[in-house]
Amino acid sequence: DAGITQSPRHKVTETGTPVTLRCHQTENHRYMYWYRQDPGHGLRLIHYSYGVKDTDKGEVSDGYSVSRSKTEDFLLTLESATSSQTSVYFCAISEASVGGETNEKLFFGSGTQLSVL
Amino acid sequence: AQSVAQPEDQVNVAEGNPLTVKCTYSVSGNPYLFWYVQYPNRGLQFLLKYITGDNLVKGSYGFEAEFNKSQTSFHLKKPSALVSDSALYFCAVRELYNFNKFYFGSGTKLNVKP
Repeated sequence: DAGITQSPRHKVTETGTPVTLRCHQTENHRYMYWYRQDPGHGLRLIHYSYGVKDTDKGEVSDGYSVSRSKTEDFLLTLESATSSQTSVYFCAISEASVGGETNEKLFFGSGTQLSVL
Repeated sequence: AQSVAQPEDQVNVAEGNPLTVKCTYSVSGNPYLFWYVQYPNRGLQFLLKYITGDNLVKGSYGFEAEFNKSQTSFHLKKPSALVSDSALYFCAVRELYNFNKFYFGSGTKLNVKP
């Protein structure tokens, strides 16, 4: 899966606890994304990053925060996990073109299955 | 608002028959369109894309897709299905000038029976 490692692969946690998911890439791609996948909803963008320390919200960002202190790492934090955040979380990356602006396709990690009880 | 619709949750087809997985989209301006495939317990994998040019685009594993601007559709096709094509297929759209955001459909499960 294109030099993308997500950890952990599976996690079970309790409501109200903080959880951090990690995405690590070895491709030196500029853009990184966190999606969640839920039946009937497909993939929905949580947050994305367009560079170190540059992040922005996606369509379902409430209850989530992100950080990117290095090009290769993009962390997703659930400050206080809720049962509605039970989902499969995918990290994706994409590269800028030589001109720096075009962003044509995504490469995905293998996902993290998170269960909040 | 940008959106992608995949009207069929599931498509069943016999091996050797042609297959079509439907996708319609709504986006401001000219779209960038994509198809991705997901096998069990795996991340999504890129199949093909339409950026500009010929309305029929060819991708991996013998898949192709036809862009129809008037119908705002981007249906995925394959002339002869294989059992190994059974997977979850996602259509996605990206705005031409908002390159940070990709919007995905809800997915269509393709079942190819021997």
